[in-house]
Amino acid sequence: EVQLQQSGPEVGRPGSSVKISCKASGYTFTDYVMNWVKQSPGQGLEWIGWIDPEYGSTDYAEKFKKKATLTADTSSNTAYIQLSSLTSEDTATYFCARGTGPYVMDAWGQGASVTVSS
Amino acid sequence: DIQMTQSPPVLSASVGDRVTLSCKASQNINKNLDWYQQKHGEAPKLLIYYTNNLQTGIPSRFSGSGSGTDYTLTISSLQPEDVATYYCYQYNSGNTFGAGTKLELK
Repeated sequence: EVQLQQSGPEVGRPGSSVKISCKASGYTFTDYVMNWVKQSPGQGLEWIGWIDPEYGSTDYAEKFKKKATLTADTSSNTAYIQLSSLTSEDTATYFCARGTGPYVMDAWGQGASVTVSS
Repeated sequence: DIQMTQSPPVLSASVGDRVTLSCKASQNINKNLDWYQQKHGEAPKLLIYYTNNLQTGIPSRFSGSGSGTDYTLTISSLQPEDVATYYCYQYNSGNTFGAGTKLELK
């Protein structure tokens, strides 16, 4: 069974950074990209980008190029997203999602909440 | 950027109804469109990929169609467990979700 287990809720101060993890199991980690999606409170979904764990290559939405950094550790089958220079606009739930194609997201993590508060 | 407009924003229907959700792109997206279902407090779930392909494990009452700029998700016979928000998502040029259609029971 494919599973994506995300880390717990994070609280970050304005201007700081947070890093969320997404541990994959049940499939070969390097065979699929990992997408990341943002959902602000009560709002819709925004695609942030994806990383190919095998090559480390990435693709970002323009809006998130200076905000998010995607990495992956093939030794632990874990993908990461780091969010920098936090503002209130970054308060949201962040989902990781396995991608085929690479944009068809066929398995999702449970989501990780980030709250930006001083 | 391609804009995705979903209609209606909220839809109330009865169990057993045939339900149609619409998604319109601001330009041709060449069928590069998926549909996701998100129940309250849960992660989204892939229902349909590349316009009309049913994801494994999804009930056959769900179907997708469309081309060019206009796409549709149909539920042939609404079930109580289908209450959710449905998002269309294009990846033809950039990556854009629609704002969602919230499906409620009447």
